Amino acid sequence: EPEVTQTPSHQVTQMGQEVILRCVPISNHLYFYWYRQILGQKVEFLVSFYNNEISEKSEIFDDQFSVERPDGSNFTLKIRSTKLEDSAMYFCASIGLGYEQYFGPGTRLTVT
Amino acid sequence: AQSVTQLGSHVSVSEGALVLLRCNYSSSVPPYLFWYVQYPNQGLQLLLKYTSAATLVKGINGFEAEFKKSETSFHLTKPSAHMSDAAEYFCAVSDAGNMLTFGGGTRLMVKP
Repeated sequence: EPEVTQTPSHQVTQMGQEVILRCVPISNHLYFYWYRQILGQKVEFLVSFYNNEISEKSEIFDDQFSVERPDGSNFTLKIRSTKLEDSAMYFCASIGLGYEQYFGPGTRLTVT
Repeated sequence: AQSVTQLGSHVSVSEGALVLLRCNYSSSVPPYLFWYVQYPNQGLQLLLKYTSAATLVKGINGFEAEFKKSETSFHLTKPSAHMSDAAEYFCAVSDAGNMLTFGGGTRLMVKP
């Protein structure tokens, strides 16, 4: 069964550094999403992406964040200058015909 | 704006007992409703979805949920809990495949 994959599974970085989180959505899906889950809290929407542009974003998704689909398979989330409060699990998701979003296993980002 | 409320951040049941996890939503448009399960240190797995077809929805692992428009509820049930059901369960709402809004989650504990 096709699945969403994410790399790395765990990323440790120092405050102020740039990080890129990578996702490979399911191949025939057209809508892509990033969510984050701070430890012990609910899953929060960050951004949705369709047709090579952002279709919706939350107030969390400020100028420090950017997304890109550099080729036909990868979907990336970049955080330009990480802060301690960016520490969270980041989930990528893609949507199929039935409106359900398929989630990847997540990348745990730890900012020290 | 959409919102989801999950009553009870922790629910404990005995093995073999009925599982009932509560979810209430608010939405200005006909909602699409989902239940996801998250096992420790893993991603989000879709349990079931409601997308305006049958109001009683069957999902994986013996779970089902009933959409009740008059009560704005989408409670998740399973007749007989199994130890392997211990996990965090998230209810989520979207409008026609857009961003998901999640509830705060319910941690299900199953006692032997």
